[in-house]
Amino acid sequence: AQSVTQPDIHITVSEGASLELRCNYSYGATPYLFWYVQSPGQGLQLLLKYFSGDTLVQGIKGFEAEFKRSQSSFNLRKPSVHWSDAAEYFCAVANSGGYNKLIFGAGTRLAVHP
Amino acid sequence: EPEVTQTPSHQVTQMGQEVILRCVPISNHLYFYWYRQILGQKVEFLVSFYNNEISEKSEIFDDQFSVERPDGSNFTLKIRSTKLEDSAMYFCASSGRGRVGTGELFFGEGSRLTVL
Repeated sequence: AQSVTQPDIHITVSEGASLELRCNYSYGATPYLFWYVQSPGQGLQLLLKYFSGDTLVQGIKGFEAEFKRSQSSFNLRKPSVHWSDAAEYFCAVANSGGYNKLIFGAGTRLAVHP
Repeated sequence: EPEVTQTPSHQVTQMGQEVILRCVPISNHLYFYWYRQILGQKVEFLVSFYNNEISEKSEIFDDQFSVERPDGSNFTLKIRSTKLEDSAMYFCASSGRGRVGTGELFFGEGSRLTVL
């Protein structure tokens, strides 16, 4: 069965510092991978997605993620965090046959210190 | 920017009562979904809906749940007889295309359901 693990429940970084949020997935075939962000009082917003091709994908708000098949990982990175990045981040996986049936991780809550 | 809207934002109900959560998907989208997140747990897929019928549903989506697109704009989730464990945030989503990889899911802000 497909699953997604986000090992870090909470992360705190200082504004301007770099960020890496971890995501590991379990899926037999080539996965479709996503990162969503949820700001307080907001819905889930897609940051980026990986379907195929270049394993380093760029997203909105200066985020990027790298797909590493050997490690079953899809970590999210940002070189310099802004206070407005404080939110909850969800990694998700889907299979090619599913009608947008996403399997989500538990989420990582990011706090940003000034 | 087009968005998915959900009402109510928060509903409190007594156990055993019926609840209807409403969603207005993005106007030209054809595929609709409900997900839920119990407090402190993962976001879980409930159901997908296309062409006025359910495309796929999870084990969570039992006979107490139903979905409907009563008109051209609304998409509803009904829980017939709520249980305490139905307390959760319910997210509606829509997409222009069905198969993952072809369309992005757009999520609403969620409806928080509290069952007492």
